[in-house]
Amino acid sequence: SQQGEEDPQALSIQEGENATMNCSYKTSINNLQWYRQNSGRGLVHLILIRSNEREKHSGRLRVTLDTSKKSSSLLITASRAADTASYFCARLRGGSYIPTFGRGTSLIVHP
Amino acid sequence: DAGITQSPRHKVTETGTPVTLRCHQTENHRYMYWYRQDPGHGLRLIHYSYGVKDTDKGEVSDGYSVSRSKTEDFLLTLESATSSQTSVYFCAGASSGGARTGELFFGEGSRLTVL
Repeated sequence: SQQGEEDPQALSIQEGENATMNCSYKTSINNLQWYRQNSGRGLVHLILIRSNEREKHSGRLRVTLDTSKKSSSLLITASRAADTASYFCARLRGGSYIPTFGRGTSLIVHP
Repeated sequence: DAGITQSPRHKVTETGTPVTLRCHQTENHRYMYWYRQDPGHGLRLIHYSYGVKDTDKGEVSDGYSVSRSKTEDFLLTLESATSSQTSVYFCAGASSGGARTGELFFGEGSRLTVL
């Protein structure tokens, strides 16, 4: 399986702190996406980073990609209680239309 | 995303009975996917479709079949449900461009319990 791993599996922080989640994968990719899932809901696409990019920003989100280490990180700055959710990375190989999802990081932000 | 609706949202059934989950989309997505989500496994692909009547198997397709007779609907069928198929099932859709980048739009999920 080309399924990678998110790390940590669970993260608990206080409001205002930064949250960092990591994603590692095994095979070469074309791009990588991060998704968010609120409890009992479907996944929502957050941000895409392509294999030729090293960093992307979207509001309070910062995503990095290191293809040499086959890893990506998602940083949420100044976390809010509303950021409480599970976060998944999904990898897409070149020529594929099938994103492969990791197991996710469960983030709890305490008010 | 309101453009993808799944039905039923919750279902309890008994082992050995057939079950069909429906995914309906109003976004004209060419690609549609069925995933299952289980604790400790994340999302795993069951089947996907790349057009009307064009489908293919995913990672965990045993015991499942799909049909796509029109763009809007993608049906997932469990011919004879087993307890191991107790899960939350997610349908997703993507345009051709979205599928190339992995940007999928998900439904709200269907929780299936097989007793």
